[in-house]
Amino acid sequence: KNEVEQSPQNLTAQEGEFITINCSYSVGISALHWLQQHPGGGIVSLFMLSSGKKKHGRLIATINIQEKHSSLHITASHPRDSAVYICAVNSGGSNYKLTFGKGTLLTVNP
Amino acid sequence: DTGVSQNPRHKITKRGQNVTFRCDPISEHNRLYWYRQTLGQGPEFLTYFQNEAQLEKSRLLSDRFSAERPKGSFSTLEIQRTEQGDSAMYLCASSPRQIQETQYFGPGTRLLVL
Repeated sequence: KNEVEQSPQNLTAQEGEFITINCSYSVGISALHWLQQHPGGGIVSLFMLSSGKKKHGRLIATINIQEKHSSLHITASHPRDSAVYICAVNSGGSNYKLTFGKGTLLTVNP
Repeated sequence: DTGVSQNPRHKITKRGQNVTFRCDPISEHNRLYWYRQTLGQGPEFLTYFQNEAQLEKSRLLSDRFSAERPKGSFSTLEIQRTEQGDSAMYLCASSPRQIQETQYFGPGTRLLVL
């Protein structure tokens, strides 16, 4: 079992729909990250969370430390949101390396 | 551009050849990480440096792989005697001293071994 599990693996939505991507982890963490990866490889950080909820534009990220679960929500989805969304955790320790989920491929159709 | 840069962006090589990738981190970031990402998977940790010291290596990093970060600035990742299984995206990230959980990623080097 991977230390970081994401669901769903693939998600297709119509423009305007509300989208939720889930992430569960099985290790102690110091922080959880939501990342966006477009075709071609570049990874962009969307959020870093250690508790509670963060909002940036149409994106909202929440984390429940007790349940070891996080969600990424996209409101009023748009075709330009189409990308791979990756959950990653700093699993404590002094190296701060990231452990990643497999990613969720989101396709938003016009 | 003050982001993390990686060169080359793409590399095609024949099995058995040696390849070297370069990563230039954001200036004054003390930590530098290498990750490998295969198709359809999330990235996996390979190794990391704090300044010029290589402090951890993954078991994924076989003897054919070597990484350096001379003078704590840019880093190189060399793969000797490449195999088809080495085909992947190699990602570099750097992290500032002040917020050690945060990592800034480069665009990656995509390697194809024929």
